[in-house]
Amino acid sequence: GAVVSQHPSRVICKSGTSVKIECRSLDFQATTMFWYRQFPKQSLMLMATSNEGSKATYEQGVEKDKFLINHASLTLSTLTVTSAHPEDSSFYICSARVRRGLPDTQYFGPGTRLTVL
Amino acid sequence: SQKIEQNSEALNIQEGKTATLTCNYTNYSPAYLQWYRQDPGRGPVFLLLIRENEKEKRKERLKVTFDTTLKQSLFHITASQPADSATYLCALGGSTLGRLYFGRGTQLTVWP
Repeated sequence: GAVVSQHPSRVICKSGTSVKIECRSLDFQATTMFWYRQFPKQSLMLMATSNEGSKATYEQGVEKDKFLINHASLTLSTLTVTSAHPEDSSFYICSARVRRGLPDTQYFGPGTRLTVL
Repeated sequence: SQKIEQNSEALNIQEGKTATLTCNYTNYSPAYLQWYRQDPGRGPVFLLLIRENEKEKRKERLKVTFDTTLKQSLFHITASQPADSATYLCALGGSTLGRLYFGRGTQLTVWP
């Protein structure tokens, strides 16, 4: 149980284009999903917390107009990187908080490798 | 400011030995601490959670201790195997923190 999927797993795009990443909880309902980015040999950096049916809460320094988050249902959250630039190249990982169970145990997706040319 | 340190960036041990990873923190009062495993190019996988009122937790070959006085957690893998090679992340959480805070991880390599 508690499986989280991400799509796509890898994307290469040109500078200036927008990229959408999907995060789905496959066998449970997730009222809260989280979006992280991770640079090589670095820790997970929380970008935003996504709550179903409400606006996402962004961490300090993360541009909400650049990283659009939509949590339309209890099983789906999307992250759109708008007008992507090479510095946005990173590993993006989503996680979902299990609605019933251990406190704040998060189940992570497999990640999306974004490369902006 | 909040800070989480994991003892070293990399740890190399021989198969069959016990691997011990350290997670130290400052300026936090977590209600619980978690350990995750992350393989290259993959998302982290939850391993164990230990609460502030627990001293030790075990799961198969894994053992976690939590010392809130020292502000430290130790993560042990006994009878280590090459398949245990991965990066291990500690994370602190609790209602007062509002979210999980992750360390940078320790890359463990178990050689035959």
